[in-house]
Amino acid sequence: GENVEQHPSTLSVQEGDSAVIKCTYSDSASNYFPWYKQELGKRPQLIIDIRSNVGEKKDQRIAVTLNKTAKHFSLHITETQPEDSAVYFCAASKGSGGYNKLIFGAGTRLAVHP
Amino acid sequence: NAGVTQTPKFRVLKTGQSMTLLCAQDMNHEYMYWYRQDPGMGLRLIHYSVGEGTTAKGEVPDGYNVSRLKKQNFLLGLESAAPSQTSVYFCASSPSKAERAPRETQYFGPGTRLLVL
Repeated sequence: GENVEQHPSTLSVQEGDSAVIKCTYSDSASNYFPWYKQELGKRPQLIIDIRSNVGEKKDQRIAVTLNKTAKHFSLHITETQPEDSAVYFCAASKGSGGYNKLIFGAGTRLAVHP
Repeated sequence: NAGVTQTPKFRVLKTGQSMTLLCAQDMNHEYMYWYRQDPGMGLRLIHYSVGEGTTAKGEVPDGYNVSRLKKQNFLLGLESAAPSQTSVYFCASSPSKAERAPRETQYFGPGTRLLVL
């Protein structure tokens, strides 16, 4: 089955710096790759996603890139702010027909220091 | 529109006790999921449902049962709780077709923290 590895497990940056989180997946049939942000004690919330027919997607300060050949995808956060501090999870799925068996990475705890 | 809600928020059980976690969604979503979240392990899928009256096993189904008698509700049962089931449980739902977000988007509930002694 699918396996998703996520690195690093913790990341500490200064406010204004960029942060990059990387994930690799094992199943070449996976076609949907979302990123979730989870603040302390809160529920995971989708922040961006990408499909396998797209190489890059941006939304303001966040972007995701996908390399299908290497089977890895990355989250890029620019101009980090203290409110970006949270745990970030990547996931992969090959769901068809709408429902989605997401396989999550173990998470990256991002700390942005003022 | 409350989205996805979970009951209870927190519970302490003794080993061997049983309990049911309730998930409800008011978004008319077809698909619902139960995950557990443990430190350093991300979210793991326990069971899921693709529609009323149907359920299927996820990655870690042992020790849990589920039921989806109504489209808006998805119940997770622990028949005989074990300390290894101490975790935070999240329910999620997703639509059957694209809405404002892609149809694959899963919307999570606030979580239930379960402690088994």
